[in-house]
Amino acid sequence: DAGVTQSPTHLIKTRGQQVTLRCSPKSGHDTVSWYQQALGQGPQFIFQYYEEEERQRGNFPDRFSGHQFPNYSSELNVNALLLGDSALYLCASSLRDSSGANVLTFGAGSRLTVL
Amino acid sequence: QKEVEQDPGPLSVPEGAIVSLNCTYSNSAFQYFMWYRQYSRKGPELLMYTYSSGNKEDGRFTAQVDKSSKYISLFIRDSQPSDSATYLCAMSAVVTGGGNKLTFGTGTQLKVEL
Repeated sequence: DAGVTQSPTHLIKTRGQQVTLRCSPKSGHDTVSWYQQALGQGPQFIFQYYEEEERQRGNFPDRFSGHQFPNYSSELNVNALLLGDSALYLCASSLRDSSGANVLTFGAGSRLTVL
Repeated sequence: QKEVEQDPGPLSVPEGAIVSLNCTYSNSAFQYFMWYRQYSRKGPELLMYTYSSGNKEDGRFTAQVDKSSKYISLFIRDSQPSDSATYLCAMSAVVTGGGNKLTFGTGTQLKVEL
């Protein structure tokens, strides 16, 4: 049973460029969340998708956008890259639970370096 | 002030030691408390999951939550070199409709030495 898979694993971009990161959730999961983890920091919540809609959003500018497809996979897009966007981008999937519990399974991440 | 505070370490202990990792938080709405382990160049993996206050034990790991003090702990007994990793505490609040975001601490880097 495949867990959460992310691509690409590493990429290098220059300031001002745009990047798209991809995520396939764990089998049976329907909710995808994206987190940004800067070096030496804990993951920071970017947004969460369920039923192809953005359901929750963290404190990130509109340059960060996403999409969820009918097969539950997801993309994270970042426009007008800044040096400060260099980080590990983590995708996490879960099965939506109306009780509020949200046990996440994380992928290995996509490491973005902006030069 | 951050919502979740965690000492980044590094923490170095000898093999077999009992390790205590802690987090404090300020948001009284947090109801779910988790500990994740993250090895270098990997994503976080869930170790322990607790709802509200109390203790939970799983093998060598024990998680404690004290909501009155807004303080959570993870204890590792008989620590092994393979436990060397970064330990992240994470918390979430109940949101109508489900699907809560996790708020993480900065992570504590642990090294267990032979």
